[in-house]
Amino acid sequence: DAGVTQSPTHLIKTRGQQVTLRCSPKSGHDTVSWYQQALGQGPQFIFQYYEEEERQRGNFPDRFSGHQFPNYSSELNVNALLLGDSALYLCASSLTIANEKLFFGSGTQLSVL
Amino acid sequence: QKEVEQDPGPLSVPEGAIVSLNCTYSNSAFQYFMWYRQYSRKGPELLMYTYSSGNKEDGRFTAQVDKSSKYISLFIRDSQPSDSATYLCAMTVDQTGANNLFFGTGTRLTVIP
Repeated sequence: DAGVTQSPTHLIKTRGQQVTLRCSPKSGHDTVSWYQQALGQGPQFIFQYYEEEERQRGNFPDRFSGHQFPNYSSELNVNALLLGDSALYLCASSLTIANEKLFFGSGTQLSVL
Repeated sequence: QKEVEQDPGPLSVPEGAIVSLNCTYSNSAFQYFMWYRQYSRKGPELLMYTYSSGNKEDGRFTAQVDKSSKYISLFIRDSQPSDSATYLCAMTVDQTGANNLFFGTGTRLTVIP
């Protein structure tokens, strides 16, 4: 049973560029959340997707957007990249929208130069 | 003030020692409490899950929640070198915000053989 898979594992971009990160949830899970983890910090909630809609959002600007597809996979898009966007981006899935037991992928390490 | 406070360590202990990891929080509405383990270059892995106050034991791991003091703990008995990782506490208010977890900064633990 495959767990949460994310791609790519590493990415290097320059300021002002745009980036798209991808996530496939654990088999049987229909809810996907995205988190940003800066170096030496705990993950911070970006947003949650369920039934192809953004259901909850953390304290992140509109430059961060997402999408969920009918097969429950998800994308995170970040526009107009800033140096401060450099972080590990984690995707997590759960069995349902009201389930707090999250399963995380290994993340995408984004470096903005 | 951060909603969840956690001593970042690092913490080094000899193999076989009892490890105590702690978090404090400020939001009295938190009801679901979790401990995640994160190995280097990996995503967090759910270790323990507790609802409301009380203790929960799973093998060598015991989680304690004291809502009156807004304090949670994770104890690891007979620590092993394989327990070397960063331990993150996390919590959320209720199932409507189930995926919106608030994390501590993580405590880095090294178990020395």
